[in-house]
Amino acid sequence: GESVGLHLPTLSVQEGDNSIINCAYSNSASDYFIWYKQESGKGPQFIIDIRSNMDKRQGQRVTVLLNKTVKHLSLQIAATQPGDSAVYFCAENFQKLVFGTGTRLLVSP
Amino acid sequence: NAGVTQTPKFQVLKTGQSMTLQCAQDMNHNSMYWYRQDPGMGLRLIYYSASEGTTDKGEVPNGYNVSRLNKREFSLRLESAAPSQTSVYFCASSESHSHQPQHFGDGTRLSIL
Repeated sequence: GESVGLHLPTLSVQEGDNSIINCAYSNSASDYFIWYKQESGKGPQFIIDIRSNMDKRQGQRVTVLLNKTVKHLSLQIAATQPGDSAVYFCAENFQKLVFGTGTRLLVSP
Repeated sequence: NAGVTQTPKFQVLKTGQSMTLQCAQDMNHNSMYWYRQDPGMGLRLIYYSASEGTTDKGEVPNGYNVSRLNKREFSLRLESAAPSQTSVYFCASSESHSHQPQHFGDGTRLSIL
């Protein structure tokens, strides 16, 4: 899950594994959520979004799950590749977009 | 297709100096944003421009000013830099303000001594 500390939580996986990155959001009234990927030295990259009236949304190799009961969001990456190594963070929107601090994904060949 | 371009990529300033960070997008987007990213914190919105000709304060606007020069360009100015403004600054754009930031530049790494 995400952390407000200086050291990002890290998820280490092997190439080909499925990865699950978690995010706990704070506002039960948030109506829109986004996952971003940020590679070292680069700007954030939009991956996938989901509205609060949905539980699941799929993209190319990625799936976002939303559990509003426990205010939890997850990003599943299928068949993880070395190029997926990055920091992933979620953002929730209620009147304004609030960003999490992220989880570092390390993919070993 | 360049997307969002920020200049400079790196800059070191002395306390009290002024500086303008430049941002341009080539996607014909209406909305543009300036964020700062600090260790241990999520991105924080400094200012945004929902459409050409308008600008609004975000979460942390103090010490900054912005100019939406035209639809393509949105600049961020530090009039009198302070060490607390040492950060990585990202510009972003989206089709409209309701879409939220979709495309980010690669950032300007700014150090204030």
